[in-house]
Amino acid sequence: KAGVTQTPRYLIKTRGQQVTLSCSPISGHRSVSWYQQTPGQGLQFLFEYFSETQRNKGNFPGRFSGRQFSNSRSEMNVSTLELGDSALYLCASSLGLSGYNEQFFGPGTRLTVL
Amino acid sequence: QKEVEQNSGPLSVPEGAIASLNCTYSDRGSQSFFWYRQYSGKSPELIMFIYSNGDKEDGRFTAQLNKASQYVSLLIRDSQPSDSATYLCAVLRSNTGKLIFGQGTTLQVKP
Repeated sequence: KAGVTQTPRYLIKTRGQQVTLSCSPISGHRSVSWYQQTPGQGLQFLFEYFSETQRNKGNFPGRFSGRQFSNSRSEMNVSTLELGDSALYLCASSLGLSGYNEQFFGPGTRLTVL
Repeated sequence: QKEVEQNSGPLSVPEGAIASLNCTYSDRGSQSFFWYRQYSGKSPELIMFIYSNGDKEDGRFTAQLNKASQYVSLLIRDSQPSDSATYLCAVLRSNTGKLIFGQGTTLQVKP
């Protein structure tokens, strides 16, 4: 069974631009969660989608948004990029909600904002 | 106070020793507790989860949960150099359903 895939793997943007990251979960998994990982803050929860509905949202500004499609694939969008948005963005999929199921993480998208 | 706290380390133990990793959490109503391992440059992977007070063993790993004292720990017996990684504690907040990760503890097992 294929694992969680994320595209692109690396991205370089400039301040003020926007970016869209994509995540394809493991087949059959209905939950997709997004995390931001930085050396200073660790792994921070962005949001979780289950069956196309946002179930939870972390403490990030409205510039961070996401959605989930009927095939469970998910996208995350960051508008008006800031230098502080430079990070590794990880998505994780699980059969059910993340708090009650094992999450499988993708390889991440490394975003650099210049 | 952070919701989930871990000592960042590094925690250094000799090969064959027991490594003890600790995690405290602030939400008394938290329900689910997870330990993930993350090798340098890799993504986190689940080691164990625990829901009930007490110990849960899986091979060389034992998770211990004490809800009254609000801490969860991970013991690694017969530590191997391949266990060298960052260990992330994650806690499910009962009121929000959010899974909150600690900063992680870096473990170094020296041959």
